[in-house]
Amino acid sequence: DTGVSQNPRHKITKRGQNVTFRCDPISEHNRLYWYRQTLGQGPEFLTYFQNEAQLEKSRLLSDRFSAERPKGSFSTLEIQRTEQGDSAMYLCASSLPGAANTEAFFGQGTRLTVV
Amino acid sequence: QQQVKQSPQSLIVQKGGISIINCAYENTAFDYFPWYQQFPGKGPALLIAIRPDVSEKKEGRFTISFNKSAKQFSLHIMDSQPGDSATYFCAADSGGSNYKLTFGKGTLLTVNP
Repeated sequence: DTGVSQNPRHKITKRGQNVTFRCDPISEHNRLYWYRQTLGQGPEFLTYFQNEAQLEKSRLLSDRFSAERPKGSFSTLEIQRTEQGDSAMYLCASSLPGAANTEAFFGQGTRLTVV
Repeated sequence: QQQVKQSPQSLIVQKGGISIINCAYENTAFDYFPWYQQFPGKGPALLIAIRPDVSEKKEGRFTISFNKSAKQFSLHIMDSQPGDSATYFCAADSGGSNYKLTFGKGTLLTVNP
């Protein structure tokens, strides 16, 4: 499978616990994005990497959230001290470098439920 | 402030009919307008996209109509099929980098056989 891979697919955690999600982008895609999608809404941009550099963070990404892409390949999104409002689908996407408006390919997402 | 407004929230169409979903935007800096299709449990997948230098783009049964002066764009699905039943999102982006898509709230399309 050469698509964007996200793990785990589902995560249930107790409020206050830390969780970490992983995203493996399509090979050779140097751009990687994280989005959050709540029920009945469209995805909302969280953050963007070009190679290992995190170039932009949304104000939706509070201090409890941190994303890394240490070697410019896979990325992790960590949420510390989870709250019930963090329950959502976390989507990762990747795209090729270069040309404007290149297609972003999304993974299947990690569904987080905070109880 | 919702920068991309999408309607209707849900749509039921008979097989063979035309499905029409509309979006309006506010930010005149937007210069890329994709439509995504999402099936339950899956991530969004790009369906078709348009840039504001053209008023219409057609790919198979899917057509985007774009009205720059009205700041509106729409998706038309011709000969709708039950397999088209999914949630459709319009989106917009500016700056040519395609990394910060602003999505509409989505339209749940049901095509009855």
